[in-house]
Amino acid sequence: DTGVSQDPRHKITKRGQNVTFRCDPISEHNRLYWYRQTLGQGPEFLTYFQNEAQLEKSRLLSDRFSAERPKGSFSTLEIQRTEQGDSAMYLCASSPFRGTGYTDTQYFGPGTRLTVL
Amino acid sequence: QKEVEQNSGPLSVPEGAIASLNCTYSDRGSQSFFWYRQYSGKSPELIMSIYSNGDKEDGRFTAQLNKASQYVSLLIRDSQPSDSATYLCAVRPGTQGGSEKLVFGKGTKLTVNP
Repeated sequence: DTGVSQDPRHKITKRGQNVTFRCDPISEHNRLYWYRQTLGQGPEFLTYFQNEAQLEKSRLLSDRFSAERPKGSFSTLEIQRTEQGDSAMYLCASSPFRGTGYTDTQYFGPGTRLTVL
Repeated sequence: QKEVEQNSGPLSVPEGAIASLNCTYSDRGSQSFFWYRQYSGKSPELIMSIYSNGDKEDGRFTAQLNKASQYVSLLIRDSQPSDSATYLCAVRPGTQGGSEKLVFGKGTKLTVNP
C-alpha cells in the first residue's frame, strides 16, 4: 500500500520547543495539503503545495508555522515556539492534479498527534 | 454563519436501519462535495464525492446534493456496527479564487447498535 505516510505519529513536547513533522504523499500525487484537527472539530486547512510551490496559506497560519516541499515530493511542517494551543492532530493529504476544471479527491495520511505540555 | 454545518449528533440507529446524515453549506458557488468517515483516533477516509444535483449511489451509501437548497446528505442503508464513526462533510468553496482547500463541518457521530 503506497498511501500517504506521516512521521512521527505522536509527538510530545514542552511549550516553547520547536517541532517538525514530515509527510510523504502518494507517489504520483503532485498536490499536498496540511490540515489541523482538534477534538470535536473537523479538519481545518493550513496550507497546500502544487509540486514545490506553496500556493495557498490559511490566514490562521501564524508566523510560527512554516511548511516546505523543496523537491516537490515530501513536505515538512515546522512549528516554532510551540504553545499549548498547538496541541492537535496534524493531517497531511495529497491529490493528483488533472488540470483546471477538475476537482481531485484528497487522500489523508494517518496524522501526527502533537501534545504540548 | 459557519461555512459547513452538520448536526453533531450523536445519531444512534439500530443495525439494519437507514442512517441519514445531513450537511448544509453557505457558499452558493461551491461545486464539489465530499463525505469522509473518521473512526476514533484515525484519519478521515473518503466515502463519496458528488458534484451534480441528484443522487449518487455506491453500494450501501447514497449521497444526495441539492445546490438550490445548499444541502448535501448521506444515506447509509443496512447500517452495520462497523459503520459507527464520525462522518465529515467537506466542501470545496467556489468563490475564493481557485482555492483548493476543503472546508469541513464538525462531523456527525453515528452509532449503530447491534
